[in-house]
Amino acid sequence: DGGITQSPKYLFRKEGQNVTLSCEQNLNHDAMYWYRQDPGQGLRLIYYSQIVNDFQKGDIAEGYSVSREKKESFPLTVTSAQKNPTAFYLCASSILSGQETQYFGPGTRLLVL
Amino acid sequence: AQSVTQPDIHITVSEGASLELRCNYSYGATPYLFWYVQSPGQGLQLLLKYFSGDTLVQGIKGFEAEFKRSQSSFNLRKPSVHWSDAAEYFCAVGLPNTGTASKLTFGTGTRLQVTL
Repeated sequence: DGGITQSPKYLFRKEGQNVTLSCEQNLNHDAMYWYRQDPGQGLRLIYYSQIVNDFQKGDIAEGYSVSREKKESFPLTVTSAQKNPTAFYLCASSILSGQETQYFGPGTRLLVL
Repeated sequence: AQSVTQPDIHITVSEGASLELRCNYSYGATPYLFWYVQSPGQGLQLLLKYFSGDTLVQGIKGFEAEFKRSQSSFNLRKPSVHWSDAAEYFCAVGLPNTGTASKLTFGTGTRLQVTL
């Protein structure tokens, strides 16, 4: 089945720890995105990537980092600099056609111990 | 800067009743418009989208939405709600582009509760 997978479903972070969230897609999509979702705030864009080895900051990139070494994969690292990391993180992907539709993965919930 | 407003945080309807969820946007040009649905603890599923053409668009699960340029609105409707429609609904807008990644702006969501 084609789709977007995110792992793990739940992730716990200790103080001062970096954690990495996985996002993989087998849709052959060019672009991939990371969003953060907090209650009552909708989705906010963290980073996005249009092509391998290239990515751009979104609206709330501070305290996060990404890489795009393969077209299928776009991992997100939540660094210790992100002081309020507790949230639901959603990965999405799209083709680059001028009329893109973004398709979403099932999400990862990050909790701080 | 673009913005999307979903004025209703929470709506409760009876099963079988009609539904309308409101979405207004502020954009310099005619944007692309989307409605997504999210069940608790899940990702977002696309319900429908508008790029151009007929301003009344049909989606999955019996939903439809109408783009009204004069009102900068893209309201979601369903003639008869089912209990399984209980979820959170997000309106999103994006700018037309020529092959670069489209950044979407999301509303804050409307939580739909369905009573039996």
